Amino acid sequence: SSELIQDPAVSVALGQTVRITCQGDSLRSYYASWYQQKPGQAPLLVIYGKNTRPSGIPDRFSGSYSGNTASLTITGAQAEDEADYYCNSRDSSGRHYVFGTGTKVTVL
Amino acid sequence: EVQLVESGGGAVWPGGSLRLSCAASGFTFGDFTMHWVRQVPGKGLEWVSLISWDSGNTDYADSVKGRFTISRDNRKNTLYLQMDRLRTGDTALYYCTKDIDGWYGFDYWGQGTLVTVSS
Repeated sequence: SSELIQDPAVSVALGQTVRITCQGDSLRSYYASWYQQKPGQAPLLVIYGKNTRPSGIPDRFSGSYSGNTASLTITGAQAEDEADYYCNSRDSSGRHYVFGTGTKVTVL
Repeated sequence: EVQLVESGGGAVWPGGSLRLSCAASGFTFGDFTMHWVRQVPGKGLEWVSLISWDSGNTDYADSVKGRFTISRDNRKNTLYLQMDRLRTGDTALYYCTKDIDGWYGFDYWGQGTLVTVSS
């Protein structure tokens, strides 16, 4: 079972804001990274580190942390943001990497 | 442009072996840690293994330790995953990924190669 827990699904109205959370004890010590995956495609990195967006990722994507929870916020969600989102970090031992359980985002 | 192209997937009996390859281009391959990540179709992502830039450090998920071996050839810009004693639970799409230098995560992914373990 994953050590990083995400809500299975969230929905957001077009143009509104949605927050996706990732909970795990290792997040008290290690930063997370976030990935967007659309059907039939490889995952795409959208946020890493404290709150860094790779080149080409829109600034409506942002990351934040509080305690043992990392969050990915989409401010002004667009239809093309509908996808599965996964967090990733080290596990509690610090030796391995672990992915979150994934969140399906639906844009209404 | 960074490109990661996996190959070597296919169908194999339980207990069999496969060797995956990942051809890298568009960056200095020998400078970066590389990883394999897998995904059962329709399910979540699972980190499998990593290898440091100089092959001095390797690590594996508990689910594959002792059965899979990661390696690389920096002269050929190629990453490998030797998979032995395959189980039906190893059936997945296997992605080659590049490490985000200095951070935890993966900044480039291949399109994946499908491994099917079935009798």
